[in-house]
Amino acid sequence: EPEVTQTPSHQVTQMGQEVILRCVPISNHLYFYWYRQILGQKVEFLVSFYNNEISEKSEIFDDQFSVERPDGSNFTLKIRSTKLEDSAMYFCASSVSRDTEAFFGQGTRLTVV
Amino acid sequence: AQSVTQLGSHVSVSEGALVLLRCNYSSSVPPYLFWYVQYPNQGLQLLLKYTSAATLVKGINGFEAEFKKSETSFHLTKPSAHMSDAAEYFCAVINNQGGKLIFGQGTELSVKP
Repeated sequence: EPEVTQTPSHQVTQMGQEVILRCVPISNHLYFYWYRQILGQKVEFLVSFYNNEISEKSEIFDDQFSVERPDGSNFTLKIRSTKLEDSAMYFCASSVSRDTEAFFGQGTRLTVV
Repeated sequence: AQSVTQLGSHVSVSEGALVLLRCNYSSSVPPYLFWYVQYPNQGLQLLLKYTSAATLVKGINGFEAEFKKSETSFHLTKPSAHMSDAAEYFCAVINNQGGKLIFGQGTELSVKP
């Protein structure tokens, strides 16, 4: 069964460092998303991406964040200068269309120290 | 704006007992609703979805949910709880403008032997 894969599963980084979280969406999906879940809180939308551009972003997704689809398979989330409050589980998801279910990866646990 | 509210951050049932996890939604248009499950240290897995077809939706692992427009509810049920059902459950609605999922706070289900 096709699945969304994320790497790494865990990432520890120092405050101020850049991190790149990687995702391989399901191959025939066209919509890609990043969500995050701070420990003990609900899952929050960060950004959606379609047709090689951001289609929507939340207020969380400020200038420190960027997304890219560098080739036909990978979808990346970059945090330029990490802050302590960026520590969270980051989930990548993909869907066939805008109003169908999203399939989630296993997540990357980011810890900023 | 669309939203979902999950009543009860924690629900505890005995093995074999009925599981009822509550979700109410707010939407100005017919919603697409989802239940996701998150097992410890894992990603989000789709349990079931409502997309304006049958109001009683059956999902995986014996779960089902009923869409009730008059009550703006989409409660998740399972007739007989199993120990393996212990997890966090999230209700979500698709934002009709952009495809992003809006999640509820989550309900942690504990199953006692």
